[in-house]
Amino acid sequence: QVQLVQSGAEVKKPGASVKVSCKASGYTFTGYYMHWVRQAPGQGLEWMGWINPNSGGTNYAQKFQGRVTMTRDTSISTAYMELSRLRSDDTAVYYCARDYYGSGGGDVWGKGTTVTVSS
Amino acid sequence: QSALTQPASVSGSPGQSITISCTGTSSDVGSYNLVSWYQQHPGKAPKLMIYEVSKRPSGVSNRFSGSKSGNTASLTISGLQAEDEADYYCCSYAGSLNWVFGGGTKLTVL
Repeated sequence: QVQLVQSGAEVKKPGASVKVSCKASGYTFTGYYMHWVRQAPGQGLEWMGWINPNSGGTNYAQKFQGRVTMTRDTSISTAYMELSRLRSDDTAVYYCARDYYGSGGGDVWGKGTTVTVSS
Repeated sequence: QSALTQPASVSGSPGQSITISCTGTSSDVGSYNLVSWYQQHPGKAPKLMIYEVSKRPSGVSNRFSGSKSGNTASLTISGLQAEDEADYYCCSYAGSLNWVFGGGTKLTVL
């Protein structure tokens, strides 16, 4: 079945970087854009950016430009989101989601990766 | 890019209908028919309920419907059921390959 499997929870210190992976299965990885969305504890959803797995092209929300890098490895159908210079307010659940007709999130979501930033 | 505006909470009794609004600007909701709605239960990933303003993905109940007028989109849930109790988020394309979410609405089924 179609699914996105994300990497496990991370604990990082302020100033460090984190790289979250999202492995796709059950569909053609290069056929669908991938969004990254995060959710801080008790807060709403926040769109971070997306990647075209076919070309590698990306677009990031202005808020994250300069700190986020989205990449992919088509040989293993995996997308990555790396966030650098972490701050405590980056503590959140990070989701990958397969785009569906320009929906901003998508029809298939990973279960989320919890990233905790704490000294 | 500012978040779209949603009411913090709405409530309704089983069997009733409720509507959740999502107000944006002429740069996002008002300019594109790319508004989507997500349902999120506690501790779970969001689920796509509506895309392109009013279309339902396969498997989503026809009790859920979407519409748009000007800069405001709406999600209507008819025949409320206990399992509809969740957080709901709207999302709109905002141009230049950017998207923006609403702040979320907590639906309580009384």
